[in-house]
Amino acid sequence: AQTVTQSQPEMSVQEAETVTLSCTYDTSENNYYLFWYKQPPSRQMILVIRQEAYKQQNATENRFSVNFQKAAKSFSLKISDSQLGDTAMYFCAFMKFQGGSEKLVFGKGTKLTVNP
Amino acid sequence: SQTIHQWPATLVQPVGSPLSLECTVEGTSNPNLYWYRQAAGRGLQLLFYSVGIGQISSEVPQNLSASRPQDRQFILSSKKLLLSDSGFYLCAWIGGLSSYNEQFFGPGTRLTVL
Repeated sequence: AQTVTQSQPEMSVQEAETVTLSCTYDTSENNYYLFWYKQPPSRQMILVIRQEAYKQQNATENRFSVNFQKAAKSFSLKISDSQLGDTAMYFCAFMKFQGGSEKLVFGKGTKLTVNP
Repeated sequence: SQTIHQWPATLVQPVGSPLSLECTVEGTSNPNLYWYRQAAGRGLQLLFYSVGIGQISSEVPQNLSASRPQDRQFILSSKKLLLSDSGFYLCAWIGGLSSYNEQFFGPGTRLTVL
């Protein structure tokens, strides 16, 4: 079974600085997706960024980028120029192709606080 | 565009009472639907998923059940709530290959069992 590990339960960063959240996963699959979701205090789950395992190029979405190391099964999230609105729980998630019944496996999350 | 609704938003129920949480999706057809539970300070645990009407798969043994009476309706139920059923319940649907299998989440239901 696939597992996702986020080793940092809590992190904090100063506004405008850069922070990296760690995520590792365990799978024997070769084709899969990886995601980072953000859950602000409103508790709405919001997709931050996704990565297809077959793509070597790291995904980037504005201030958010990932460092995808397939061999090491590592998928870290870098937030540049941190903003107060980035304060949230961040969840790393794994999805394998499953013929129409794809499911997400989530890590336990990292609580990020951006300080003014 | 697709939207997903959940109700109620919050619910306080006594132990032993029944439960019915509803999730509906708009703007798509034949979606894969999912129920997750998020306990305090924890990640999301997949409870049930459905690939079509009347088709339910359970991920973990528990006090809850799910049903899909219509294509875009997914219901989470219990006959008798336990204290351990307290948590935040999220419904989600999957966007398919055209949206890179992104899962879209509803606003959630906060359930407190007393």
